[in-house]
Amino acid sequence: EVQLVESGGGLAQPGGSLRLSCTASGFTFSSYSMNWVRQVPGKGLECVSFIDSSSSPGSILYADSVRGRFTISRDNAKNSLYLQMNSLTVEDTGLYYCARGDGSGAWLIDSWGQGTLVTVSS
Amino acid sequence: EIVLTQSPGTLSLSPGERATLSCRASQSVGRNYLAWFQQKPGQAPRLLIHGASSRATGIPDRFSGSGSGTDFTLTVSRLEPEDFAVYYCQQYADSPRTFGQGTKVEIK
Repeated sequence: EVQLVESGGGLAQPGGSLRLSCTASGFTFSSYSMNWVRQVPGKGLECVSFIDSSSSPGSILYADSVRGRFTISRDNAKNSLYLQMNSLTVEDTGLYYCARGDGSGAWLIDSWGQGTLVTVSS
Repeated sequence: EIVLTQSPGTLSLSPGERATLSCRASQSVGRNYLAWFQQKPGQAPRLLIHGASSRATGIPDRFSGSGSGTDFTLTVSRLEPEDFAVYYCQQYADSPRTFGQGTKVEIK
């Protein structure tokens, strides 16, 4: 069974930083692309970042809203996905999901974690 | 970016009835890379349909997807109590991948 468990969310001040983590189990982590997707009440779902299975340059995508502030990375040896979030703004508040790509090479998401809540407020 | 518009915003139906949800794209979705997700309160989204019409693993056959190009439909043939939820479409053909705003299916 695919399991994705996020951690690292919490309260941060505007301009501050947080690092989200996602621990994966139940599948061969290194073979799958991974994503961070956030959900903001009233604004819906947004794909924040994507990283391919190879972690090679050119295989990483960011939403325009976070490019230059957020950095996605992965450690295949630890079955873990990360999101370093810097220069946070109140608009970054939301529930952040770790989500697995379907393994086909398309950008389809087929499994989600339960999410970790990020609140940016002074 | 491809904008997805879902309609209606809310659908009020009774168990056993048929639900028809629409998702319209601002431009053609390449290779019909259109997915549908179901989300219940307090839960993560769950993949129902991919490639516009292929059911994901373990999804009951009362769920079906259709459409191509810019117009897509999710149909639930006979609503079960557990089907009352919010449904989102998403295109995964182009970057950025985008979601519709959701359709809530509520008990009438």
